[in-house]
Amino acid sequence: DIQMTQFPSTLSASVGDRVTISCRASQSISNWLAWYQQKPGKAPNLLIYRASTLQSGVPSRFSGSGSGREFTLTISSLQPDDFATYYCQQYDTYSNTFGQGTKLEIK
Amino acid sequence: EVQLVQSGAEVKKPGESLKISCKGSGYIFSNYWIGWVRQMPGKGLEWMGIIYPGDSDTNYSPSFQGQVTISVDKSISTAYLQWSSLRASDTAMYYCAKSADSIQTRWYFDLWGRGTPVTVSS
Repeated sequence: DIQMTQFPSTLSASVGDRVTISCRASQSISNWLAWYQQKPGKAPNLLIYRASTLQSGVPSRFSGSGSGREFTLTISSLQPDDFATYYCQQYDTYSNTFGQGTKLEIK
Repeated sequence: EVQLVQSGAEVKKPGESLKISCKGSGYIFSNYWIGWVRQMPGKGLEWMGIIYPGDSDTNYSPSFQGQVTISVDKSISTAYLQWSSLRASDTAMYYCAKSADSIQTRWYFDLWGRGTPVTVSS
């Protein structure tokens, strides 16, 4: 399996901050990467696919970049609703894998 | 409304069998892969496997191959995840999710069920 490593594991930030979450693949996955947001007690929600394509209905403050092994999710100006856990997912192979998650907390 | 409706919470004893379900509606169920994702208490997401309802083609994560069985009944737009002998370590929330792309075998998920909590305890 391709291993996905996210960092940091926890991130403390304030409303209005610009934050970046990173995701690294153990081998190249081209741009076959998605980002999800999960709030406590809820199912994950797709934010970005193909590394940088914003899912319909997702606010434009979310953006994704990267290719190969290194990827980032950026939130340009944090809103109260953004405090959640974020996961990357590689879908390059027939056995997909998720990163371990990054919990975004209020500072 | 496009949705995935999962079966209700389960409480089982070790060694028992279990089959949970995921019913799709509001879209052409046969055309989109359905995946299963495990989330153990307080932990992250784990990709278990995926099935194509059109022909029952199935792929499993090596971590779950042989541990669970994914199946589908396209006549009732329902996918299943089953265990033949549960363990305490199977205690988790299980989500089904619909692949966003109907054509490619590139599976990211644009629609999720609410999850089925499974508790295995003696």
